[in-house]
Amino acid sequence: AQSVTQLGSHVSVSEGALVLLRCNYSSSVPPYLFWYVQYPNQGLQLLLKYTSAATLVKGINGFEAEFKKSETSFHLTKPSAHMSDAAEYFCAVTTQGGSEKLVFGKGTKLTVNP
Amino acid sequence: GAGVSQSPSNKVTEKGKDVELRCDPISGHTALYWYRQSLGQGLEFLIYFQGNSAPDKSGLPSDRFSAERTGGSVSTLTIQRTQQEDSAVYLCASSQILSGDADTQYFGPGTRLTVL
Repeated sequence: AQSVTQLGSHVSVSEGALVLLRCNYSSSVPPYLFWYVQYPNQGLQLLLKYTSAATLVKGINGFEAEFKKSETSFHLTKPSAHMSDAAEYFCAVTTQGGSEKLVFGKGTKLTVNP
Repeated sequence: GAGVSQSPSNKVTEKGKDVELRCDPISGHTALYWYRQSLGQGLEFLIYFQGNSAPDKSGLPSDRFSAERTGGSVSTLTIQRTQQEDSAVYLCASSQILSGDADTQYFGPGTRLTVL
């Protein structure tokens, strides 16, 4: 069975600082990995996804993530945080082309300080 | 185009009552998913519909929960004899099945269910 661990339920950064949100996965077969963002009282929006085409994945709003098989990681980064990045971020894994259930991490709430 | 829509956006009910939550997926999407988001449990898969195949009900927490998808489009999640622990945000997602790729699941805004 797949699982996802997000280290740090809360992360706080200053505006303009690097954002790093950690995600480690467990899967017995090659995974498909996703990062979703959730703004208050809204649904989930896809930031980016890893589908095995390239290990460095670029997403929306300046975010990117790198798949590292040896570390079973898929950390999310953004070089310079913006106030509008404040939200909750979820890492998720699935193994059958995405046409199966997503298994989510517990989420990381990002706070951006002025 | 239109995204996934859910209704109602908020539902307050009394313990023991039945509730129905509705999801309208993106037109043309053959796969539909229900998830539950609660403070204690995070985001949990409930049920998955794909075309005319039998649904994957492996995530339903009890037999009080059921779902149907009529005509391959709209889905209704029904919770019978609601309990306080059913209070959560119920999220619906849909995706277009593409061969050989990881399909993106597009989420609706959710229905916030409060059981008093």
